[in-house]
Amino acid sequence: DAGVTQSPTHLIKTRGQQVTLRCSPKSGHDTVSWYQQALGQGPQFIFQYYEEEERQRGNFPDRFSGHQFPNYSSELNVNALLLGDSALYLCASSLGTGVDEQFFGPGTRLTVL
Amino acid sequence: ILNVEQSPQSLHVQEGDSTNFTCSFPSSNFYALHWYRWETAKSPEALFVMTLNGDEKKKGRISATLNTKEGYSYLYIKGSQPEDSATYLCAFTDSWGKFQFGAGTQVVVTP
Repeated sequence: DAGVTQSPTHLIKTRGQQVTLRCSPKSGHDTVSWYQQALGQGPQFIFQYYEEEERQRGNFPDRFSGHQFPNYSSELNVNALLLGDSALYLCASSLGTGVDEQFFGPGTRLTVL
Repeated sequence: ILNVEQSPQSLHVQEGDSTNFTCSFPSSNFYALHWYRWETAKSPEALFVMTLNGDEKKKGRISATLNTKEGYSYLYIKGSQPEDSATYLCAFTDSWGKFQFGAGTQVVVTP
């Protein structure tokens, strides 16, 4: 049983570009949450998708958007990249809201130059 | 407390010694407190989920306690081993399932 997978592993972009990160949830899970972890900080909640809709959102600008597909996989899109968007982006999957447990992927390391 | 805070930020432990560290969290609208172990280049791994005041959970040499009234949780590692070296994250969740993480405690166990 595959756990949560994310692609790509690493990514380098320049300021102003756009990026798409992908996440496949653990088998049987229907909810995907995205987090940003900047250096020296804990993961910060970006948003959560359930039934192909954004259910909750953290304090991130509209440049951060997402999508969930019928197979429950998800994408995180970031437009007009800033240097400060350089971080590890984690995806977590769960059944329902995930208040009881979330399973994390290994993350995508984004570097913005 | 409005945010989740962990202390210390890092600690070094001799192999065989025991250690503990703290997670402080908002005491209002509490639903659950999660502990994760995060080894370098791997995914965060769930250790415990605690929901009730006074909860104590144990997994091998690692245990955790929870005080929801005062808003803190302790994680204990007994007889530390090199494989315990990792960053330990705690996360507070409200009833909507939004996880609020601390910055983590990095544990280095030296032989």
